[in-house]
Amino acid sequence: NAGVTQTPKFRVLKTGQSMTLLCAQDMNHEYMYWYRQDPGMGLRLIHYSVGEGTTAKGEVPDGYNVSRLKKQNFLLGLESAAPSQTSVYFCASSYSVSGSEYNEQFFGPGTRLTVL
Amino acid sequence: AQTVTQSQPEMSVQEAETVTLSCTYDTSESDYYLFWYKQPPSRQMILVIRQEAYKQQNATENRFSVNFQKAAKSFSLKISDSQLGDAAMYFCALSYSWGKFQFGAGTQVVVTP
Repeated sequence: NAGVTQTPKFRVLKTGQSMTLLCAQDMNHEYMYWYRQDPGMGLRLIHYSVGEGTTAKGEVPDGYNVSRLKKQNFLLGLESAAPSQTSVYFCASSYSVSGSEYNEQFFGPGTRLTVL
Repeated sequence: AQTVTQSQPEMSVQEAETVTLSCTYDTSESDYYLFWYKQPPSRQMILVIRQEAYKQQNATENRFSVNFQKAAKSFSLKISDSQLGDAAMYFCALSYSWGKFQFGAGTQVVVTP
């Protein structure tokens, strides 16, 4: 049981390049999330998914796209990277809605992305 | 809108002593959960403790305990008998609705020998 995994762990891009971050979970969780972490700002939600084939915008969605074609995978895409997207990106998954003891979010190890 | 505020960017504590991290939140939801996550230098987010809003009893996990004041919308974390391994960034988080989380900005805990 690997939990939540992220690929790659580090990446350096030039402005304007594109890339995709892959998140995979083996816990059969319905909900998956992409966050970015910047100093002094905590974790901010980029996009999320409440099930296979569904996605929705979070707090800071501009410049990112996502897809959830399979329940276990959640992809985050940067079509044209900008220096403002330099950050640490975390994927997370959770089991169920509020009101359940399974409300905890499980996090991947993070991806450090630098855009030059 | 839901907000989570951690007013202490950094807290320092000596080994074996106690430190309390503050967290205040605001939500219009009646059903929600509160969490404290720890992020050590490895970057991995680790759940420390959780509190269901409908429970009045404060949660405890070994050396970690919370003081949950629902009316005041306050959720502080107390670390007792601090150890060097407790040094990390600590995030307070609010979970509501379909599982959406709102995180605070974090408090860096420094443990000195």
